[in-house]
Amino acid sequence: DTAVSQTPKYLVTQMGNDKSIKCEQNLGHDTMYWYKQDSKKFLKIMFSYNNKELIINETVPNRFSPKSPDKAHLNLHINSLELGDSAVYFCASSPSLGAGANVLTFGAGSRLTVL
Amino acid sequence: KQEVTQIPAALSVPEGENLVLNCSFTDSAIYNLQWFRQDPGKGLTSLLLIQSSQREQTSGRLNASLDKSSGRSTLYIAASQPGDSATYLCAVRGYSGGGADGLTFGKGTHLIIQP
Repeated sequence: DTAVSQTPKYLVTQMGNDKSIKCEQNLGHDTMYWYKQDSKKFLKIMFSYNNKELIINETVPNRFSPKSPDKAHLNLHINSLELGDSAVYFCASSPSLGAGANVLTFGAGSRLTVL
Repeated sequence: KQEVTQIPAALSVPEGENLVLNCSFTDSAIYNLQWFRQDPGKGLTSLLLIQSSQREQTSGRLNASLDKSSGRSTLYIAASQPGDSATYLCAVRGYSGGGADGLTFGKGTHLIIQP
């Protein structure tokens, strides 16, 4: 199946731990994104990468470090997890920048719960 | 700073009714507006994309309109079906350049179609 796949789908961890969420797309897209959907249901962009280069870095704490080993993968590593990091994290991809960025394909989301 | 508001937050109607979901945005300088559908445990699915120069787009039973000057969009669903039950999200894309800028989302309208 062609898709954007994220792992894990659910992640429960203690405060202070370090965790990673992985994202892979087999759509041949150049651009990938991480979005966060908090408890109030707002979806906000965190990062976007184009061909492994960081394009957008919104005001996200530097405990969050995205890594793109190749243009098909964009992983999200989070250090020293805090309660407020609990959210659903969505990965997405689009064919390219510009007009290509209109066509976003989203992953199913990874629900992170910090206890 | 762009803000997107969706009204109502939740809506429950009997099957077969026509309904309208509303979206408003504070900054009319947008590149485009999109309507997404979010199903529980799944990612977002793009339904309709309206460019800033367009007034409306149609796909099957869905029709989305855009009045950029007043900062409003509506999603019209005709002859609603239980399978239409989902959360509907409105998102706008601004002119931050580069094309990989993040979409600004509303909180969504949680729609339930009663059989």
